[in-house]
Amino acid sequence: KQEVTQIPAALSVPEGENLVLNCSFTDSAIYNLQWFRQDPGKGLTSLLLIQSSQREQTSGRLNASLDKSSGRSTLYIAASQPGDSATYLCAVSNDYKLSFGAGTTVTVRA
Amino acid sequence: DTAVSQTPKYLVTQMGNDKSIKCEQNLGHDTMYWYKQDSKKFLKIMFSYNNKELIINETVPNRFSPKSPDKAHLNLHINSLELGDSAVYFCASSQLARGDTQYFGPGTRLTVL
Repeated sequence: KQEVTQIPAALSVPEGENLVLNCSFTDSAIYNLQWFRQDPGKGLTSLLLIQSSQREQTSGRLNASLDKSSGRSTLYIAASQPGDSATYLCAVSNDYKLSFGAGTTVTVRA
Repeated sequence: DTAVSQTPKYLVTQMGNDKSIKCEQNLGHDTMYWYKQDSKKFLKIMFSYNNKELIINETVPNRFSPKSPDKAHLNLHINSLELGDSAVYFCASSQLARGDTQYFGPGTRLTVL
């Protein structure tokens, strides 16, 4: 059974600081790994999808790395802004389903 | 245009009642999902349908019955509601059944009193 852990559970940083969010998973036989953003009372928005054969994926200020063999992924958000405040969820795809971590709640202080 | 929509957004009901949540996607995707997010914020897959056929059923009590009248709709019917069913239920869709980006609806907050 796939287990996904996200550390830290919460993070508060001043505006402009870089963010580093960690995700680990127990079963390395994954198809891909996705990072999502969830705003309070809203659904999830997909940020990045990294295929199992890839090492990293970039979109604007976001960069996600994947080390499948060690079961780790890291999401970097450069030059954080107050609008980045949200919960960030990591999810790994095994077979036909996604397994989610509990998320890291980020607060960026203006 | 909303890609994945759910109704209702909020649902408050008494224990023992039967209720339904509707989901529609206008993305032309072949696969749809139901997830449950509990009070600790863990999201867990409940069901997945691909081309109207059930492909995932994650040990969910049989009081929960998904119904897919067509590829664009996946409804969730819950019988004999219990306090522990209180959660936020999310619908999602993707083009492929495996390894594809999933698009989520806004969620339905179910409260059972």
